[in-house]
Amino acid sequence: EPEVTQTPSHQVTQMGQEVILRCVPISNHLYFYWYRQILGQKVEFLVSFYNNEISEKSEIFDDQFSVERPDGSNFTLKIRSTKLEDSAMYFCASRRDREANGYTFGSGTRLTVV
Amino acid sequence: QKEVEQDPGPLSVPEGAIVSLNCTYSNSAFQYFMWYRQYSRKGPELLMYTYSSGNKEDGRFTAQVDKSSKYISLFIRDSQPSDSATYLCAMRLEAGTALIFGKGTTLSVSS
Repeated sequence: EPEVTQTPSHQVTQMGQEVILRCVPISNHLYFYWYRQILGQKVEFLVSFYNNEISEKSEIFDDQFSVERPDGSNFTLKIRSTKLEDSAMYFCASRRDREANGYTFGSGTRLTVV
Repeated sequence: QKEVEQDPGPLSVPEGAIVSLNCTYSNSAFQYFMWYRQYSRKGPELLMYTYSSGNKEDGRFTAQVDKSSKYISLFIRDSQPSDSATYLCAMRLEAGTALIFGKGTTLSVSS
């Protein structure tokens, strides 16, 4: 069964450092997403990406965040200057097309900012 | 006002029990309703989705949506220890693509 692959599974970084979280969505999917889940909290939407541009973003997704699809397979989330409160599980998800309801999530990257 | 409310539990039941999980929501514009299962340290896995009001059945799982009451439910029949996980409700607008999640209900099924 096709999977969304995320790397690394766990990343520890110092406050103020830049991090890049990487995702390989399912190959024939067109919509890509980042969500995050702070420990004990809800899964929260960050951003959606379609046709090489951001289609929707939440209030959380401020200027410190950016996304990119540098090639035909990878989808990345960059946090420019990490803060302690950025510590969370970050999930990448993809969806085949606008009519599809099946969002497939990756296993997540646990980001710990120290 | 929180958009999607879900009792976090934990909910503990014996094997074979019928489990009822519920969410309420405030935005009447939500049109697509989903249930995800999440095991510890894993990503959410789609179980069921429903468009607008009605019921949908898939094996031991039944999803119900009552838009007039802004209330959705997931029923699990003949629950198994392997059903032990956190169950997340999620919903989205007709035109939107972002999923709005509930906090999740942690279920434990004992053998």
